[in-house]
Amino acid sequence: QQKVQQSPESLIVPEGGMASLNCTSSDRNVDYFWWYRQHSGKSPKMLMSIFSNGEKEEGRFTVHLNKASLHTSLHIRDSQPSDSALYLCAARTNAYKVIFGKGTHLHVLP
Amino acid sequence: SVLLYQKPNRDICQSGTSLKIQCVADSQVVSMFWYQQFQEQSLMLMATANEGSEATYESGFTKDKFPISRPNLTFSTLTVNNARPGDSSIYFCSSRVGGYEQYFGPGTRLTVL
Repeated sequence: QQKVQQSPESLIVPEGGMASLNCTSSDRNVDYFWWYRQHSGKSPKMLMSIFSNGEKEEGRFTVHLNKASLHTSLHIRDSQPSDSALYLCAARTNAYKVIFGKGTHLHVLP
Repeated sequence: SVLLYQKPNRDICQSGTSLKIQCVADSQVVSMFWYQQFQEQSLMLMATANEGSEATYESGFTKDKFPISRPNLTFSTLTVNNARPGDSSIYFCSSRVGGYEQYFGPGTRLTVL
């Protein structure tokens, strides 16, 4: 069973719109989450990380974490066509193992 | 941060052959990780390699099929033995700095005919 589940699988938003991506872990040992972005043909690059309850904002990107439910979400405001990519959620279950979800394909239409 | 380089960028090989993928870090790192990714899907952790010890493999990946060497703190090699078309994917090496942010190499795209 996938320990990190992401939804939706695919998301289409208009340019300037808000994109909201979700991620939940079923492993109670998870203590840290990351969001990665992977453009087609490229390697994943970290966008944001979060390990405390609450919200963290960096520019157009906001990430939320609810540790009780092990749910994190990524919100992209004023979405741009260049934001079109695969967004991967990752969770750390111990000091050395990081598990990735299946990802959300985001398409921003100009 | 750490920069990771992989060689080759891509490879095409015949079924039944073996190939090696090299990963070099621009600084010493404790652990190197190898991931497999099929056509823009999830990154599957294959194994964790620490210097001087045998790699630890995840479920579905074996030492016989994917032997990994880690001779020093900046280098690792992944071998794909008896390659099959189902092994066609992108292989990434990865490492972490300070236990937090994870960095990835550019990937090696493998096609097995």
